[in-house]
Amino acid sequence: DVKVTQSSRYLVKRTGEKVFLECVQDMDHENMFWYRQDPGLGLRLIYFSYDVKMKEKGDIPEGYSVSREKKERFSLILESASTNQTSMYLCASRATGYTEAFFGQGTRLTVV
Amino acid sequence: KQEVTQIPAALSVPEGENLVLNCSFTDSAIYNLQWFRQDPGKGLTSLLLIQSSQREQTSGRLNASLDKSSGRSTLYIAASQPGDSATYLCAVYPLGTGGFKTIFGAGTRLFVKA
Repeated sequence: DVKVTQSSRYLVKRTGEKVFLECVQDMDHENMFWYRQDPGLGLRLIYFSYDVKMKEKGDIPEGYSVSREKKERFSLILESASTNQTSMYLCASRATGYTEAFFGQGTRLTVV
Repeated sequence: KQEVTQIPAALSVPEGENLVLNCSFTDSAIYNLQWFRQDPGKGLTSLLLIQSSQREQTSGRLNASLDKSSGRSTLYIAASQPGDSATYLCAVYPLGTGGFKTIFGAGTRLFVKA
């Protein structure tokens, strides 16, 4: 079975904290993605990576950065968490091309 | 600009009913279309991927069809069960994006009553 694992299901952080969300996939996929999902706004792409150490901005990269040091791991970093970053964060991975996407179980982040 | 619409936003049916969920998209220049299921507070689970050269895909009680020229896809669920209650999302992979810029619909929330 394919697997995308996010390090936490729930996180509560304080405003101004640096937050790390981790995602690991075991399918040897080249491409990995971070989305956030908010009611009424749907899924929005934050960043994606198509290879180790390669990254591209998505539609809403402001306030976020990413790191991909190993093929299987893609991290999302909130440099200084703010309350408007309270959201559900979803990681996905996919092989090269227009292939099937697989998602992790999601991380519900609350910033207080 | 590609837009994906799912109507209705919510649907309630009695157990055992066959049902159809709709997905429409504005630009037929797509490579694939994928259907997902999302349970409350959880991630997306892939149900079916239809390539643009295909017209339908089946998995168990699920059958998804694709009509690119009319910009429509349907997800047919046979003999619905309470365990099918979830939100169903469709997503299109526009041509020319390398698969990086997937466009998601807002989803149809399905409730199957026992």
